Amino acid sequence: DAGVIQSPRHEVTEMGQEVTLRCKPISGHNSLFWYRQTMMRGLELLIYFNNNVPIDDSGMPEDRFSAKMPNASFSTLKIQPSEPRDSAVYFCASSQQETQYFGPGTRLLVL
Amino acid sequence: GNSVTQMEGPVTLSEEAFLTINCTYTATGYPSLFWYVQYPGEGLQLLLKATKADDKGSNKGFEATYRKETTSFHLEKGSVQVSDSAVYFCALLLPNFGNEKLTFGTGTRLTIIP
Repeated sequence: DAGVIQSPRHEVTEMGQEVTLRCKPISGHNSLFWYRQTMMRGLELLIYFNNNVPIDDSGMPEDRFSAKMPNASFSTLKIQPSEPRDSAVYFCASSQQETQYFGPGTRLLVL
Repeated sequence: GNSVTQMEGPVTLSEEAFLTINCTYTATGYPSLFWYVQYPGEGLQLLLKATKADDKGSNKGFEATYRKETTSFHLEKGSVQVSDSAVYFCALLLPNFGNEKLTFGTGTRLTIIP
């Protein structure tokens, strides 16, 4: 199995630009999670989906962030407009039987 | 609410030393408990887990026992290696009504020196 796939692995953009992060979960996993990790705030859950439906988006920082899961094999996290404080590593994870499997992350730098 | 408290890091040990990373939890109910490990530049990966009281999870020489009486799940390894250098996260899951949301501790950075 290829594991959770994230793209891009690295993204550098300028403040105000739109950023789209992509995730392909492990086939057969019903739940998908988006996390953000920074030195200052640690690991934060942004949103999670079950069977493509958003279950808990209480961690989404503000309206600039949105996430979609149009089908079982694809999800996006969009930031529009991006700000320097959004710089972080964004992880996608999918789960089966209580175990979450993390992708390698997207390292985002907003200048 | 539910929470996980981990030993503050960073922790630095010599190779072959004994490792303990403390983890205690607060939960309303009967959680499953996990240790995840994050190697440099990678995502988190499951190290071990335990789903009920007195269960012991083990993997790669690491062990942790679910202690309900002390609400703890301390991670131990008898002889650490340089390759164990990573950040370790304790986490809990309350599997109520299909919930799959993990509550993580803040992580403990471990560095092993040769």
